[in-house]
Amino acid sequence: GESVGLHLPTLSVQEGDNSIINCAYSNSASDYFIWYKQESGKGPQFIIDIRSNMDKRQGQRVTVLLNKTVKHLSLQIAATQPGDSAVYFCAEPPPSGYNKLIFGAGTRLAVHP
Amino acid sequence: NAGVMQNPRHLVRRRGQEARLRCSPMKGHSHVYWYRQLPEEGLKFMVYLQKENIIDESGMPKERFSAEFPKEGPSILRIQQVVRGDSAAYFCASSLSNTEAFFGQGTRLTVV
Repeated sequence: GESVGLHLPTLSVQEGDNSIINCAYSNSASDYFIWYKQESGKGPQFIIDIRSNMDKRQGQRVTVLLNKTVKHLSLQIAATQPGDSAVYFCAEPPPSGYNKLIFGAGTRLAVHP
Repeated sequence: NAGVMQNPRHLVRRRGQEARLRCSPMKGHSHVYWYRQLPEEGLKFMVYLQKENIIDESGMPKERFSAEFPKEGPSILRIQQVVRGDSAAYFCASSLSNTEAFFGQGTRLTVV
């Protein structure tokens, strides 16, 4: 079946460095992706989204890149801070549009001082 | 405007007991979604409800699990005769319609 998955389970970075979290998807018809941040003991929190008619989208300290050729997207966090420590998920809604999200397994980001 | 409220935050049940998880959506939201998360895994869709209707329950086990979203009151996810494999975090999300869904803090169910 269709799936959304991540390459790395854990990423350790130094405070102030840039972080890159990767995600692969298998459905070439996918047209919308969302990145979520989940802190320990909390629910997922929306970070940023991107539609397939875009290659790049920027937010505050975060950038999402979409490469439709290789079905890959990445989340870049600039000047990583301790508060960025969390598990990050890419997710994809179905073509029907409602929030039946398909989540990847997640990447744990650990920020060290 | 309070966010999505789930209670209890932690629930311990013995094998064979029933677990009831409650979710109050954000004010004005009529769409509710339940997800299950096993340790070190992503969230898995279970069920999508609108007021008094189940729209999609394709992710919910056929036996022992049920969900409702009555006209008045919170949405309830009910697990009968719980087994150890039901231990997980259960998250509820709500939305206005096909707009962004907001997640609650989850209920962590432990079956002993």
